[in-house]
Amino acid sequence: RKEVEQDPGPFNVPEGATVAFNCTYSNSASQSFFWYRQDCRKEPKLLMSVYSSGNEDGRFTAQLNRASQYISLLIRDSKLSDSATYLCVGDYNAGGTSYGKLTFGQGTILTVHP
Amino acid sequence: SAVISQKPSRDICQRGTSLTIQCQVDSQVTMMFWYRQQPGQSLTLIATANQGSEATYESGFVIDKFPISRPNLTFSTLTVSNMSPEDSSIYLCSAETVYEQYFGPGTRLTVT
Repeated sequence: RKEVEQDPGPFNVPEGATVAFNCTYSNSASQSFFWYRQDCRKEPKLLMSVYSSGNEDGRFTAQLNRASQYISLLIRDSKLSDSATYLCVGDYNAGGTSYGKLTFGQGTILTVHP
Repeated sequence: SAVISQKPSRDICQRGTSLTIQCQVDSQVTMMFWYRQQPGQSLTLIATANQGSEATYESGFVIDKFPISRPNLTFSTLTVSNMSPEDSSIYLCSAETVYEQYFGPGTRLTVT
C-alpha cells in the first residue's frame, strides 16, 4: 500500500465549478502535510500547507483529519489557470523533528475548460 | 525563498555510461534532497544530501548507483552510474528552508 494515496482523477470541470480532491495517508509518523501543484513539464510548487484546523487561501481550502488520516483540497470558482496536477504530500518526521523527507501521492490531474 | 538551478536541463545518454547532475541553490540551506520522477508518475525520494557526510539513501536506492556529493551548503551533485533505459526519468533536487521545500526545474534524462 502506498503511503499517500489520492483520487486517481482526472477531473475535467468547467470554469466556475467547485472541485474537491481527497487523499489518505498510512504513515502516522507523517506530521505535516501539503498540497503541491505541478504544471506540465515543470517542477512542483507549494500550493498550501494543511492544518488540522483547516486553512483557506483565497479560493483554496485544505483540511486535515488526523483521526481518519485524510486530507482534502477544495477549489472554488475554478479558473482555466488552475489546470495542473495536484500532489498530496506528507513530510515524515519523528519525535517532533522534521526530516524534510517528502512522500508524494501519485497526483490528480485537473483540467478546467471554458 | 530559494531559487534552484540544475545542470544539465536534459541529456540523452548511452547505456553503461554515467551522468552527473549539478544542483545550485542561491542561498545556504541545511537540507538538500534528490528525487526521481519517472514518466507519468509522481516524485520518489532518492536520498538526503548531507553536507560534510555521506548521503542518506531511501529504500531501493544505493550509493554505488547514485553517488551524491554535498561539498557546501549551496551545492550538490547526483551521479547516475552505469545507466540503463530504466533510469530514464526526471531527476529533481530540492532544498528546504524554514518555510517550505523548493524544487529545481529538473534534469530530463533519456538513456538509449
